[in-house]
Amino acid sequence: ETGVTQTPRHLVMGMTNKKSLKCEQHLGHNAMYWYKQSAKKPLELMFVYSLEERVENNSVPSRFSPECPNSSHLFLHLHTLQPEDSALYLCASSQDVQGTYNEQFFGPGTRLTVL
Amino acid sequence: GQNIDQPTEMTATEGAIVQINCTYQTSGFNGLFWYQQHAGEAPTFLSYNVLDGLEEKGRFSSFLSRSKGYSYLLLKELQMKDSASYLCAVSDSNYQLIWGAGTKLIIKP
Repeated sequence: ETGVTQTPRHLVMGMTNKKSLKCEQHLGHNAMYWYKQSAKKPLELMFVYSLEERVENNSVPSRFSPECPNSSHLFLHLHTLQPEDSALYLCASSQDVQGTYNEQFFGPGTRLTVL
Repeated sequence: GQNIDQPTEMTATEGAIVQINCTYQTSGFNGLFWYQQHAGEAPTFLSYNVLDGLEEKGRFSSFLSRSKGYSYLLLKELQMKDSASYLCAVSDSNYQLIWGAGTKLIIKP
């Protein structure tokens, strides 16, 4: 148990659907992250939040929309996705955004398939 | 640009020793992390190096040479449960983690 949970674990959606991924951390951390993990590729950082404020957006298409209502919860809203968006979406948290030894704790991920 | 290189796949025998290398080129350096990820599971933290040298933690050790932009993860007394992907990540000048693509380690009996 890493203290970071994600739901759903698996999601299949059509290109016209709207769905949301949920992440919750029970570690009292101030920073939360969304990553995309595709096979045989490095983890791609999508969004970073620090104390509910977005501090990083790595040129992610607008069909991905994050929401951070408080420091424990993070959502990723999905709409009109493309098949190439199929991947494992990982949520992570850390004590803060900056600082050395800033270990990130990961959730188990949501395996997303876009048909 | 920023780049992390590690082998795609390695195979080793149960009970043996294996070394997984990682080389990096990043804008700034605030430490290097190794994570383990079993198939279908979350990456979990293994080690952190910010100064040159060897950090030992049980069967796992991690080495860093900042001048060479090089690190390795050493796994001793390999067990079947060590079959996993091993991810190398460097914290850059903005404390953003730059990730390698991971090394899939296959352990054979």
